Amino acid sequence: GQNIDQPTEMTATEGAIVQINCTYQTSGFNGLFWYQQHAGEAPTFLSYNVLDGLEEKGRFSSFLSRSKGYSYLLLKELQMKDSASYLCAAMDSNYQLIWGAGTKLIIKP
Amino acid sequence: SQTIHQWPATLVQPVGSPLSLECTVEGTSNPNLYWYRQAAGRGLQLLFYSVGIGQISSEVPQNLSASRPQDRQFILSSKKLLLSDSGFYLCAWSETENTEAFFGQGTRLTVV
Repeated sequence: GQNIDQPTEMTATEGAIVQINCTYQTSGFNGLFWYQQHAGEAPTFLSYNVLDGLEEKGRFSSFLSRSKGYSYLLLKELQMKDSASYLCAAMDSNYQLIWGAGTKLIIKP
Repeated sequence: SQTIHQWPATLVQPVGSPLSLECTVEGTSNPNLYWYRQAAGRGLQLLFYSVGIGQISSEVPQNLSASRPQDRQFILSSKKLLLSDSGFYLCAWSETENTEAFFGQGTRLTVV
């Protein structure tokens, strides 16, 4: 079956770095998405990886290893506003997104 | 620029009543449109998607239906709501099937 795994919750300190991991099993693969979702709000797109390697966008970076079925989202210089859930989603061969349950990131001062 | 509007933001409905949630997209043509439901502690569940007017694909058999009467309008409906229909409903659009999706504000539906 198709599956996405990511930690339920993580805690980090303001100004620090945190890495949120995601492993996936899909029927075929057409890319890996990361979204940010603040409580009670809609998800917003952060990044998309389809080739192996690291994609950097300001304080956020996303990494993909297709052979390992593994991705991570790296957040640097954490700010209080980064407190949110981070959703990992893998796209299968039918272009359907398989979503993880999300990782709730708590930032402490 | 493209925008997506979804309403209402919150809704409390009695069991057995009908439902109609509306979603419209502006600034793009022939978008792919999606209805998702998000339950607490679980991943987004795709309910319906549409690649064009009148074309609806259902992912999960349920008490709900969807329609796309116009290119940029997507409607989620039910004839008779169940308690289990409570949840956070999200409309989304994407340019193509393999590009990022953009979400509406969501509707928090409580069936009582």
